[in-house]
Amino acid sequence: DQQVKQNSPSLSVQEGRISILNCDYTNSMFDYFLWYKKYPAEGPTFLISISSIKDKNEDGRFTVFLNKSAKHLSLHIVPSQPGDSAVYFCAASALDSNYQLIWGAGTKLIIKP
Amino acid sequence: NAGVTQTPKFRVLKTGQSMTLLCAQDMNHEYMYWYRQDPGMGLRLIHYSVGEGTTAKGEVPDGYNVSRLKKQNFLLGLESAAPSQTSVYFCASRGGVNQPQHFGDGTRLSIL
Repeated sequence: DQQVKQNSPSLSVQEGRISILNCDYTNSMFDYFLWYKKYPAEGPTFLISISSIKDKNEDGRFTVFLNKSAKHLSLHIVPSQPGDSAVYFCAASALDSNYQLIWGAGTKLIIKP
Repeated sequence: NAGVTQTPKFRVLKTGQSMTLLCAQDMNHEYMYWYRQDPGMGLRLIHYSVGEGTTAKGEVPDGYNVSRLKKQNFLLGLESAAPSQTSVYFCASRGGVNQPQHFGDGTRLSIL
């Protein structure tokens, strides 16, 4: 039973355009969400997070949107750059789980020149 | 500026052998985690620690043991390796509530 789902295994986007990565969750107790980026042969690196009290958080080219009623969050990257090509993981946690992270399966983003 | 360091980076074992994976962090973090990542799946939590001398089970703890004798180190042990434990293992640490986890670069483990 996957509590965090990333339904697109891969996504291809033209350089300079917007990349939108999606994530759905089922547990209404999740109150903190994170996006991580992972290059091959490296560990995941933290990108951006959002608390359930907010519906948007922005950091430079990266914006995360949270729709609690739909149990959906998305990561927008504008403009997309070649260095953004990586696997992106969505993760969620809940206070009552001691903030253990539950991870999606990841989406491989490919930025085309 | 080491952050989280995992050793070894690669290892091949035979079924039934034992080994210990070492994770070291230099950020004075209280929380440490061991995950495994398998193809097509997200990271799954094996064990974690909320402070020196403490450990707790995660989502997939069977076949693994851990120890946190020093705050900066978190060890993951396989007592009798099985082919199903072939995976990439990641260690992470974090400082406090709602702080992001920082990851090492992983250990690729193959069990033949």
